[in-house]
Amino acid sequence: SSELTQDPAVSVALGQTVRITCQGDSLTTYYSSWYQQRPGQAPILVIYGKNNRPSGIPDRFSGSSSGNTASLTITGAQAEDEADYYCNCRDSSRDHVVFGGGTKLTVL
Amino acid sequence: EVQLVESGGTLVQPGGTLRISCAASGFSFTTYEMNWVRQAPGKGLEWVSYISQGGATTSYADSVKGRFTISRDNAKNSLYLQMNSLRAEDTAVYSCARSSSSWPNWYFDLWGRGTLVTVSS
Repeated sequence: SSELTQDPAVSVALGQTVRITCQGDSLTTYYSSWYQQRPGQAPILVIYGKNNRPSGIPDRFSGSSSGNTASLTITGAQAEDEADYYCNCRDSSRDHVVFGGGTKLTVL
Repeated sequence: EVQLVESGGTLVQPGGTLRISCAASGFSFTTYEMNWVRQAPGKGLEWVSYISQGGATTSYADSVKGRFTISRDNAKNSLYLQMNSLRAEDTAVYSCARSSSSWPNWYFDLWGRGTLVTVSS
């Protein structure tokens, strides 16, 4: 079983704001990173660290964290944001890396 | 172009062995930590293994520890995963991923498209 917990599915109306959350004890030691994966494609890093976006990622994507919970927020969701989103961080207690189970985002 | 390209995936029988490879290009391979991540059909991402820049430090998911071995050849800009005692549940697309870690940050900033390993009789 995954050591980072995500809601399996979330939906958002086009142009509205959606928050995807991730919970786990590892998040009290390391920041979460977030990945977008469209069907048949490799994952893409969208958020890392406290709230950093790689080059080319739109500024409608943002990240935050509090205690053992990390959040990915999409402000003004677009049709192309429909994808699976995964959180990820390092579990330093076991020298492992963990992923959340993924959240399927549907843009209505 | 900065990229990772995996190869070597195929159909293998349960109990069999396979080595898959990842060729890196467009960046200084020797300065990056590398990983293998897999995704079973219709399932989520699962981290498999990690190797440090020089290869001295490795770690494995519990599900593969003792059966899989990660290695790298920095002279050839290549990453490898030796898989032994393969099981049906190892069936997945295996991707190599470049990671960066500087506490409290950890992330995969470059992914390959993956190579499919199917374990079936």
